[in-house]
Amino acid sequence: EAGVTQFPSHSVIEKGQTVTLRCDPISGHDNLYWYRRVMGKEIKFLLHFVKESKQDESGMPNNRFLAERTGGTYSTLKVQPAELEDSGVYFCASSPTSGSSGEQFFGPGTRLTVL
Amino acid sequence: AQSVSQHNHHVILSEAASLELGCNYSYGGTVNLFWYVQYPGQHLQLLLKYFSGDPLVKGIKGFEAEFIKSKFSFNLRKPSVQWSDTAEYFCAVITSGGYQKVTFGIGTKLQVIP
Repeated sequence: EAGVTQFPSHSVIEKGQTVTLRCDPISGHDNLYWYRRVMGKEIKFLLHFVKESKQDESGMPNNRFLAERTGGTYSTLKVQPAELEDSGVYFCASSPTSGSSGEQFFGPGTRLTVL
Repeated sequence: AQSVSQHNHHVILSEAASLELGCNYSYGGTVNLFWYVQYPGQHLQLLLKYFSGDPLVKGIKGFEAEFIKSKFSFNLRKPSVQWSDTAEYFCAVITSGGYQKVTFGIGTKLQVIP
């Protein structure tokens, strides 16, 4: 079974530019989560999709961040315009809906550097 | 809001030494507790979890953790570490329900010296 995949693995952009991160969850997982780890800090929750609907977006930092999950499959996280403080590692995770133990399966992360 | 505290940010041990990583959480309700591990260059992966029942849970690679409700703690232990245990370890909690956001501790980097 393929795991959660994320693309790209690394992205280096300049302040003011736009970046789009992609996450492909494990097939059949209705729940999809985005997290971010700023260097030296905790991994922080950003938002949670159930299928194509946003269940909880309380962790989104501001309106420069836009997450979508059209069709309830893969998800994108766009940062526009990027700021220096957006640098960090963005993790995606997924979990099934029924019979879940609460475990979330994580992708390898996308390391974003904003210069 | 729940929070998770990990007491040791960087631990260096020699092989065969015993390991205990502290974790405390703050949340008044029912929680599910996890330890995740990230080996160098790899994904975050689940080490072990506690939902209910026996408060002493065993995970992969000889790790175990004990949930002490009165202390709001979920410390991770391993009697004898190996060089391959070098990794970053994250204590985490989610509220009951199973599908909520994970709240992570800051992580503990473990370095095991051969």
